[in-house]
Order: sequence, then structure tokens, then C-alpha cells
Amino acid sequence: DQQVKQNSPSLSVQEGRISILNCDYTNSMFDYFLWYKKYPAEGPTFLISISSIKDKNEDGRFTVFLNKSAKHLSLHIVPSQPGDSAVYFCAASVWGENQFYFGTGTSLTVIP
Amino acid sequence: ETGVTQTPRHLVMGMTNKKSLKCEQHLGHNAMYWYKQSAKKPLELMFVYSLEERVENNSVPSRFSPECPNSSHLFLHLHTLQPEDSALYLCASSQGLAANEQFFGPGTRLTVL
Repeated sequence: DQQVKQNSPSLSVQEGRISILNCDYTNSMFDYFLWYKKYPAEGPTFLISISSIKDKNEDGRFTVFLNKSAKHLSLHIVPSQPGDSAVYFCAASVWGENQFYFGTGTSLTVIP
Repeated sequence: ETGVTQTPRHLVMGMTNKKSLKCEQHLGHNAMYWYKQSAKKPLELMFVYSLEERVENNSVPSRFSPECPNSSHLFLHLHTLQPEDSALYLCASSQGLAANEQFFGPGTRLTVL
């Protein structure tokens, strides 16, 4: 059973607007969350993370929000740029364990 | 070379073939991982090596056999695979197991005929 779910396989956004990518998880033990970005023919690259002691982490145009009670996290990209077009994966883990659990990814297209 | 490299990038093999996937990391990390990504499925962790010792084997069939001769290299030996094993195989590395992030290679796209 999937412990991390990204229910939107794809998302299209106009350049300059906000992109919001969502992720839900089922395991309440998860306490560390990451977003990865993947371009075609490349491996995923780390984008931003958040631990469960925070509800928000910001890095430039990227902000991750964590709602522990809803077991939900989201990635906001503002303003969106065409170079942001990629597949975005969220991942979760229990800190100290060997395993990250990944979602199936959301393909973001930013339209110029 | 920098980062994590994987060879070959594409591989087509028959069910009776034996082949190997290679991963090399140039980051000085001490943990390495094999993941499988099938179409429309999340990345599935297959194996974890820390300091060249296997610490995780997620119920992977024995037709997949990993090898970690040193902290920079990781192999996945393939033997008598099935068509459903066709997938993208990703290697990753990290500094320590409880790491903030893992660094991924570009993957090997495997097709089993």
C-alpha cells in the first residue's frame, strides 16, 4: 500500500503564476519530508525539505508547507518559470531509518 | 566525472541473459542505494549499502544480485529476468544512512524481452 501519494499526475501553470503541488501521506511516524525535481533523462535532484517540527520552509521561489494533522504537504513555486517544467516527487521518511518513501510524481508544465 | 554516474543508460536483454548495471559516485559518500521505478509507480527501494555492507533488502527477487566492492561503486547483477522487470533503475548515494538527502544518478532504462 502506498504510504505517499501524489494524486495529480500533471499540472499546467502560466509563467509568473503560482504552482502548487500536493502530497499526502498515511504514516503518522513520518517526520522528514523532501521534494525532488526530475528532468527527462536525468536522475531526481533534491529541491527542498522540511522536518516535522516546522510547518513551513522557504528557499527562494520554493516553499514547502506541512500540515501534520492532515498528513499533507505542498510545494509552492512563485513565480513559476518555464525552466521549472519537470516531474516533482515528494518523499517521506522516519528520521534515522534507511528508507525514503516516494510518491508517483506530478509533471509540471509552465507555459511561457 | 562528478556526482553519481550509471552505465549503461539503456539496456535491452532477453530473459536468459546475464547483465550488470554499474553505478559510481564521486561525492565521497558512504551509503549507496538501488531503486526501481516502474511506469506510474513510485520509486521502490531495492537495496541499501552502508560502508560496503548490505543493510537493507526489500524483498527483492534473487534474480537481482547487488554487489558493493567499495564505497564508490555499486553493481546490480541481473539474471533470468522477467518482462515485468522492465523499468528505470536508479542508483543513489548519501553521506550516512540517516541523511538529509540522497543524490541520484540518471538511471538505466532496462527492457526485458
